[in-house]
Amino acid sequence: GDSVTQMEGPVTLSEEAFLTINCTYTATGYPSLFWYVQYPGEGLQLLLKATKADDKGSNKGFEATYRKETTSFHLEKGSVQVSDSAVYFCAFANSGNTPLVFGKGTRLSVIA
Amino acid sequence: NAGVTQTPKFRILKIGQSMTLQCTQDMNHNYMYWYRQDPGMGLKLIYYSVGAGITDKGEVPNGYNVSRSTTEDFPLRLELAAPSQTSVYFCASIGRRGPYEQYFGPGTRLTVT
Repeated sequence: GDSVTQMEGPVTLSEEAFLTINCTYTATGYPSLFWYVQYPGEGLQLLLKATKADDKGSNKGFEATYRKETTSFHLEKGSVQVSDSAVYFCAFANSGNTPLVFGKGTRLSVIA
Repeated sequence: NAGVTQTPKFRILKIGQSMTLQCTQDMNHNYMYWYRQDPGMGLKLIYYSVGAGITDKGEVPNGYNVSRSTTEDFPLRLELAAPSQTSVYFCASIGRRGPYEQYFGPGTRLTVT
């Protein structure tokens, strides 16, 4: 069935370190892919998205590329900040407004 | 626009009690969703609605009920609360047209003891 597998956390990095959070998915068809971020005590916010193969989503220095051949959508940032500390969720939707399928989330802590 | 609002923010229930979690959106979105988030887990879909008067079950609907009498409101009802329903509940909505971003409410943290 449909599922998302993302890197287990927690991940602890020093400020300015490089971040990668791996995400792979199992879906029927050609889904749209998303990364959501959840800051402490808040709801989820869309971080970035990609809707077709080879698309790159980017926002706030984060990037992820839709890789159809490896069914992956890894999240990267070149230099993390303390303010990036949050839980990051990879998700997909099989069509435009179908419910999202989420990964378990990866908690990132960035220390100064 | 206020976006998606949820009330209450926190609630403690005793086993067997009932309550309704409220969700309202002011973006005229057709599609609305209820998810629960358990510690260390992703979000699981409870119920969803594609428009007023239409609801359908998600992955984990047991113990819950929903209604959608208006476009704006999508309340989630717990009839007989159980400890297994201790979770954080998120409501989300999405418009009919792209870019299909789901907008989430701030969540309701529910504890059943």
